Amino acid sequence: DADVTQTPRNRITKTGKRIMLECSQTKGHDRMYWYRQDPGLGLRLIYYSFDVKDINKGEISDGYSVSRQAQAKFSLSLESAIPNQTALYFCATSDSFAGGIQPNTGELFFGEGSRLTVL
Amino acid sequence: RKEVEQDPGPFNVPEGATVAFNCTYSNSASQSFFWYRQDCRKEPKLLMSVYSSGNEDGRFTAQLNRASQYISLLIRDSKLSDSATYLCVVNNEGDMRFGAGTRLTVKP
Repeated sequence: DADVTQTPRNRITKTGKRIMLECSQTKGHDRMYWYRQDPGLGLRLIYYSFDVKDINKGEISDGYSVSRQAQAKFSLSLESAIPNQTALYFCATSDSFAGGIQPNTGELFFGEGSRLTVL
Repeated sequence: RKEVEQDPGPFNVPEGATVAFNCTYSNSASQSFFWYRQDCRKEPKLLMSVYSSGNEDGRFTAQLNRASQYISLLIRDSKLSDSATYLCVVNNEGDMRFGAGTRLTVKP
């Protein structure tokens, strides 16, 4: 079984619908992230969470919300989907840094991605 | 201006070539740096961390220049299997930002 699991893997929906993408992990990591990937733009950070009570906006949080239901679960919601939210969405986890400058810390472990199409 | 910028390429090189990618970042307080590799339609995976002193892993060498705020990745003796998109990642206290990626195609 994958350490980071995203559901659904593929979803087609219509403009205005509410969509939730779910992510769960078995790695025991504190930190969880949601990114979206569009052709030519790389991965852009939507939200990230350092623990259950900590949520942080990334560079493109408008139109999205998140919920950290437990250490192992981090959900991304689109309250009213629009076509320009069509993208590949990745969840990732990371262990805590110790001061943020140790070598080999901070590796992100990704789920396989959720492809969302908004018509 | 994006926080992390990369030359998008594409780079098309023959087998055995040496190829270098650069990445610049805007936040001078960034603490750690990484190169990830992403194959088509797959999730990114860590290729290597980038240390201040520079580091090497087989055919791959990563360098960090904090004064100029850039990181680089050098691939020597390119293999067909190196064809992928290479993403630089910059960490600022857990806020992990990606460059747009550089596409590499190695041809026979």
